[in-house]
Amino acid sequence: DVVLTQTPPTLSATIGQSVSISCRSSQSLLHSNGNTYLNWLLQRPGQPPQLLIYLVSRLESGVPNRFSGSGSGTDFTLKISGVEAEDLGVYYCVQSTHAPPTFGGGTKLELK
Amino acid sequence: QVQLKESGPGLVQPSETLSLTCTVSGFSLTSYSVSWVRQPSGKGPEWMGRMWYDGDTAYNSALKSRLSISRDTSKNQVFLKMNSLQTDDTGTYYCTRDRLRRGFDYWGQGVMVTVSS
Repeated sequence: DVVLTQTPPTLSATIGQSVSISCRSSQSLLHSNGNTYLNWLLQRPGQPPQLLIYLVSRLESGVPNRFSGSGSGTDFTLKISGVEAEDLGVYYCVQSTHAPPTFGGGTKLELK
Repeated sequence: QVQLKESGPGLVQPSETLSLTCTVSGFSLTSYSVSWVRQPSGKGPEWMGRMWYDGDTAYNSALKSRLSISRDTSKNQVFLKMNSLQTDDTGTYYCTRDRLRRGFDYWGQGVMVTVSS
């Protein structure tokens, strides 16, 4: 199975600060059809995960544009440009290029 | 609007079988796939298996021998059955709409399952 390694495991930020989360894959996530099925999810405390970004960089409807995704192959990044209080929680990258779909270990974003 | 809701027992005895139901609304099970994902407390999610929109199924190989997913399209329900439960099967179980390009775009609230005698 594909292993996704997220760093850092914990991120402390102040409101308004910009932060980045890394997700590295044990193998390339480029599918033979040319798509890269790497998504980002946010799980707020006590809530189910919610989709933020799909296909590496496409913003899900209703998600603020302070969230952005980038990367290719095995290295991917989620950036939050100006953290807000509602952004606190655990962020997961998830891949579905290779079966079975697998999740990263998570990055907890907390207030400094 | 799209909604998914899990239901089932909160407590299961070791070695017994877990049966969960996911009731969906706002979309058709013959047009969209639904996956089951579980999450032990304080840990990351684990994909368990999928009911494809065409009625086919896919399973995580680590669980395949214990897991069965089925559906009733007339009731808009997807079912999960997993046998031989052990304490490390304790966690929150989610059903999620599973789209090819968007991945897991809608999630239920989850059902907490504790395996204990």
